[in-house]
Amino acid sequence: SQKIEQNSEALNIQEGKTATLTCNYTNYSPAYLQWYRQDPGRGPVFLLLIRENEKEKRKERLKVTFDTTLKQSLFHITASQPADSATYLCALDITHASGGSYIPTFGRGTSLIVHP
Amino acid sequence: GAVVSQHPSWVICKSGTSVKIECRSLDFQATTMFWYRQFPKQSLMLMATSNEGSKATYEQGVEKDKFLINHASLTLSTLTVTSAHPEDSSFYICSELAVSTDTQYFGPGTRLTVL
Repeated sequence: SQKIEQNSEALNIQEGKTATLTCNYTNYSPAYLQWYRQDPGRGPVFLLLIRENEKEKRKERLKVTFDTTLKQSLFHITASQPADSATYLCALDITHASGGSYIPTFGRGTSLIVHP
Repeated sequence: GAVVSQHPSWVICKSGTSVKIECRSLDFQATTMFWYRQFPKQSLMLMATSNEGSKATYEQGVEKDKFLINHASLTLSTLTVTSAHPEDSSFYICSELAVSTDTQYFGPGTRLTVL
């Protein structure tokens, strides 16, 4: 069966450092991979999407890489700030059970804590 | 991005009662909306796909008679938890899919507590 793995241990870093979060998957050949941010008691917020033919994508302080050979995506936040503290979810598209539209399936998420 | 609202943001009810949660797309006409459930420190679990004007498609293991979904218009989908029990207590989140960008826009979620 398909599986998405994100580190369940919280990542603690100091303000100003680069945070790197990992998303590994098995038994998938996704067309794209997404990263979302979720704050406690809130719905996820879309951050970045990277397609299978893209190696890297950037948006402001965020950078995502996608290695389809390793079946891994890395999510980087440079010059991290305490406001970046949240849970970050990766999601991969998966064909709906009824054979319909592609719908992202989410990993459990990794909690990032940026200390001032 | 699209803006999605949910109402109520939290609800506490007695066991055996029914609870309706509304999901509205405020600036986008969503043919398809999704309903998720999330338990503490767990991933989002897709419950069903809500299609405007037709029956919802439920994921395996989700009881369609317990979780009634209605998508009567392009901007409103509702989830009704019927005969709620304490084990139904969870965080329910809806989303809409922007097909052109393969991106989901989520509502703020509804915290349901069943006593």
